[in-house]
Amino acid sequence: GENVEQHPSTLSVQEGDSAVIKCTYSDSASNYFPWYKQELGKGPQLIIDIRSNVGEKKDQRIAVTLNKTAKHFSLHITETQPEDSAVYFCAASGQGGNEKLTFGTGTRLTIIP
Amino acid sequence: DGGITQSPKYLFRKEGQNVTLSCEQNLNHDAMYWYRQDPGQGLRLIYYSQIVNDFQKGDIAEGYSVSREKKESFPLTVTSAQKNPTAFYLCASNPQVAGNQPQHFGDGTRLSIL
Repeated sequence: GENVEQHPSTLSVQEGDSAVIKCTYSDSASNYFPWYKQELGKGPQLIIDIRSNVGEKKDQRIAVTLNKTAKHFSLHITETQPEDSAVYFCAASGQGGNEKLTFGTGTRLTIIP
Repeated sequence: DGGITQSPKYLFRKEGQNVTLSCEQNLNHDAMYWYRQDPGQGLRLIYYSQIVNDFQKGDIAEGYSVSREKKESFPLTVTSAQKNPTAFYLCASNPQVAGNQPQHFGDGTRLSIL
């Protein structure tokens, strides 16, 4: 089955700097890659997703890049703000249909004011 | 507002007891999912259902059971066979059976052992 690895497990950046979180996946048939943000005591919220037919997607300060050949994808947050502090999860979903999501182990991002 | 409601927010289980976690959605989504979250780990899939009266085991189904009698509801029972039930349980749903669509999550139930 699919295996998703996520790095780093913790990340601290100065407010205003950029943060990058990286994930690799094992199943070359995976074609959908969402990123979730989870705040303390809450459920994960989708912040951006990308499908395998594109290499990059951007939404204001958040971008995701996908390298299908290397089987890795990354989340980029620019101009970080204190409210960006949370746990971020990547996930990958396999071949067509409503396939299961396999999640990475999460990155705790702390923005230092 | 449409969304997913999980209840209760906190739940305590005695040894040998079964407990049921509620998940209700008013998003008219076909598929629903149950995940378990442990500290420092990602979300692990327990069960999922793509249509009423049908469900499949996920990666860690042992000690759990589900039902899907209504489209809106997907309750999870943690049985006494689950020896390490202390965790944060998350329910999710998405709108289509075919084609990858984003999963929407509830705010979870934290289960602890007395």
